[in-house]
Amino acid sequence: DAGVIQSPRHEVTEMGQEVTLRCKPISGHDYLFWYRQTMMRGLELLIYFNNNVPIDDSGMPEDRFSAKMPNASFSTLKIQPSEPRDSAVYFCASSPKPGQGYYGYTFGSGTRLTVV
Amino acid sequence: DQQVKQNSPSLSVQEGRISILNCDYTNSMFDYFLWYKKYPAEGPTFLISISSIKDKNEDGRFTVFLNKSAKHLSLHIVPSQPGDSAVYFCAASARRGSTLGRLYFGRGTQLTVWP
Repeated sequence: DAGVIQSPRHEVTEMGQEVTLRCKPISGHDYLFWYRQTMMRGLELLIYFNNNVPIDDSGMPEDRFSAKMPNASFSTLKIQPSEPRDSAVYFCASSPKPGQGYYGYTFGSGTRLTVV
Repeated sequence: DQQVKQNSPSLSVQEGRISILNCDYTNSMFDYFLWYKKYPAEGPTFLISISSIKDKNEDGRFTVFLNKSAKHLSLHIVPSQPGDSAVYFCAASARRGSTLGRLYFGRGTQLTVWP
């Protein structure tokens, strides 16, 4: 398996533009998570899905952020309009349902977003 | 509300010595604990885990200890190597209940192993 695939790896955009981050989870995983990593907050959970259904979006900072999971193999995180304070590394992760041999999440390599 | 805390943002250890990374948690419902390792420009990767029915789990140079009464766990790396230099995240989960499937992360400890 290729693991969790995120695109793009780097994104530089101007303030006010729309940004879309993409994630392909590991096939067969039930859960998908979007995290943001910053120096101030560490790994911050934005939203997570179980079987494509959003379970908890309380970490989404503002209405400018939205996430979708239209099917089991694809998710997007959209920021519209983007602001400089959104600059961070965004990670997608997926995991199986906890059970025997559970090892938690598999993370993607992240998208480094810079809003200028 | 930070349910998992790593109070040391950084740790510096000489090569060959023991590294001890600490983690505290507040939620008594947590029953499974994990450590992740993160290199720059990469996502965190799973390192080692422990169930609440155990107090120790060992994998090569890495050992995790769990003290449930103190709600404390630690990761020991012996001997430390320069390649161990990374950020280490502690994580916890409750394998039953409404948060099934979710991990709660600490803010990480930057370990530097110098020659």
